[in-house]
Amino acid sequence: NAGVTQTPKFQVLKTGQSMTLQCAQDMNHEYMSWYRQDPGMGLRLIHYSVGAGITDQGEVPNGYNVSRSTTEDFPLRLLSAAPSQTSVYFCASRPELIVVHEQFFGPGTRLTVL
Amino acid sequence: GDSVTQMEGPVTLSEEAFLTINCTYTATGYPSLFWYVQYPGEGLQLLLKATKADDKGSNKGFEATYRKETTSFHLEKGSVQVSDSAVYFCAPLGGISFGAGTTVTVRA
Repeated sequence: NAGVTQTPKFQVLKTGQSMTLQCAQDMNHEYMSWYRQDPGMGLRLIHYSVGAGITDQGEVPNGYNVSRSTTEDFPLRLLSAAPSQTSVYFCASRPELIVVHEQFFGPGTRLTVL
Repeated sequence: GDSVTQMEGPVTLSEEAFLTINCTYTATGYPSLFWYVQYPGEGLQLLLKATKADDKGSNKGFEATYRKETTSFHLEKGSVQVSDSAVYFCAPLGGISFGAGTTVTVRA
């Protein structure tokens, strides 16, 4: 089991550019989510998905899009990057929405927007 | 809604010192509770969990007891090591969002 994988590990963008952060899990988990981590702000939920074809907004969804066409993959798209989106992004998964289960986190993508 | 309140850091300790990080929760029921740890440059990983009242979770010398009477889930370790330097998160219910965590630095 690779667990939760994320690519790329580091990325530098210019303001206005778009890009997709990739996330995949091989544990057949239904629930997947994206967080951003900023100093002093903790991890804030961007978007989540409770299964293929189902996504919903989290706490800070503006400027980001997601889709879930398969159980394994949950990409995060930045439509027009802004300096405020400089952050560390983590993808996570767990078996289902019910919270008795732990979440498994990827190693993170460090994004800088100039 | 359900929430947790976690002791803020940073916390700096010497090796072999005793560590406590306080966490209290507010919930309508009796949820599962979790402590996660984030080592430098890595993602979060589960440290321990407890699924019902009076359960004690333990791992890597860390312990936390789910106390219904005080709605608490404090993290403790009797003798910390330099390798315990990390950020610790008391997971909110559902892991929806996480607070800033408690940064612990252990000096040799």
